[in-house]
Amino acid sequence: DAKTTQPNSMESNEEEPVHLPCNHSTISGTDYIHWYRQLPSQGPEYVIHGLTSNVNNRMASLAIAEDRKSSTLILHRATLRDAAVYYCILLDYGGSQGNLIFGKGTKLSVKP
Amino acid sequence: ETGVTQTPRHLVMGMTNKKSLKCEQHLGHNAMYWYKQSAKKPLELMFVYSLEERVENNSVPSRFSPECPNSSHLFLHLHTLQPEDSALYLCASSQDLMGGGQPQHFGDGTRLSIL
Repeated sequence: DAKTTQPNSMESNEEEPVHLPCNHSTISGTDYIHWYRQLPSQGPEYVIHGLTSNVNNRMASLAIAEDRKSSTLILHRATLRDAAVYYCILLDYGGSQGNLIFGKGTKLSVKP
Repeated sequence: ETGVTQTPRHLVMGMTNKKSLKCEQHLGHNAMYWYKQSAKKPLELMFVYSLEERVENNSVPSRFSPECPNSSHLFLHLHTLQPEDSALYLCASSQDLMGGGQPQHFGDGTRLSIL
């Protein structure tokens, strides 16, 4: 699986939008872009995933660059509950083992 | 409610003990996973099961023994563990193994401490 690069940490104010970037310059044509987050003392939580087009769900939006070498997770209005470590992961849709490879992620802090 | 339940949430055991971790999913998924999360290290995949058959074993020591009696339940049997095995053990499930477009659903883990 290709590697991803994320900032170690980011800060946001409550009720403001947050844009979490991820670089994946070696992404292959069959890699899906997944985002997970992990709150303190909990297991990772699926947030969103996409392949080529931008995606929206009730939790967040995923903006994928046209060349697919980068993506941005968008939280439209950050809440204190969104403080977590966010992981950007590539997963080959042709792969047969569903192996999520977690990096260090971005630790998001949300200030009241 | 995550749909994936792990028990116990916390476990303290001596190096000579034998214990088991349990994972149960109510999502109708066919694939289940065990991960290990040590302090300050990324999540590490340990075992993968698909339709109750093990399909991946990432060079895990034999003191960890998985069991998948059916597609809803996954166990991790522990014996003669070492202090470095202290970690958060996470279970996850997904609809199937195939296809990178399938999200995994995680439990909240078992915090294991080896004395």
